[in-house]
Amino acid sequence: EDKVVQSPLSLVVHEGDTVTLNCSYEVTNFRSLLWYKQEKKAPTFLFMLTSSGIEKKSGRLSSILDKKELFSILNITATQTGDSAVYLCAVGYYGGATNKLIFGTGTLLAVQP
Amino acid sequence: SAVISQKPSRDICQRGTSLTIQCQVDSQVTMMFWYRQQPGQSLTLIATANQGSEATYESGFVIDKFPISRPNLTFSTLTVSNMSPEDSSIYLCSVDLAGTGALSGANVLTFGAGSRLTVL
Repeated sequence: EDKVVQSPLSLVVHEGDTVTLNCSYEVTNFRSLLWYKQEKKAPTFLFMLTSSGIEKKSGRLSSILDKKELFSILNITATQTGDSAVYLCAVGYYGGATNKLIFGTGTLLAVQP
Repeated sequence: SAVISQKPSRDICQRGTSLTIQCQVDSQVTMMFWYRQQPGQSLTLIATANQGSEATYESGFVIDKFPISRPNLTFSTLTVSNMSPEDSSIYLCSVDLAGTGALSGANVLTFGAGSRLTVL
């Protein structure tokens, strides 16, 4: 059965800390790995990764994919209270007639002042 | 990126009733996806709605419980029928940015703000 596993489930840090969030997957017909940030209800897109070893960066956030070991990490440097959210990892796969996403359970990040 | 309007944003419902959630997109899209997020859980795909054909449901979800309409390329509805407390969840509609250059076919979903349903 396809699955996406994230760790840790939750994390509490102080402003300025650096955090690393993990995502491992076992998904047939892999196409892409995506990271989302969910603050209230609607997840917002952060990164899409399709190739191993190529780091994606956006400000203090970065992510990389290892397709051999089937995992990805999301790094956040110099964390701020506004980074507090649930971070979701999702894997895109070809599901018959269309492409689909399977989500992990998320990592709840709390950044304290 | 697409702008998605979803309503209601929240509702409190009685057991045994049904509620229809509406999703309006500001551009034409081929596929719309309906997800459920139960308390403390991640997002689970309920069904994929294509305009002009019946929705495709994922394992564990059936049309009688979650009927979907897709009358045109910018609008869809999801009905949660005969609700029970176990249906208390956030329901989200989303669209795929497939067909927009580098993101084509990459499952980069844009989500609506979600509808938080509480069933008493």
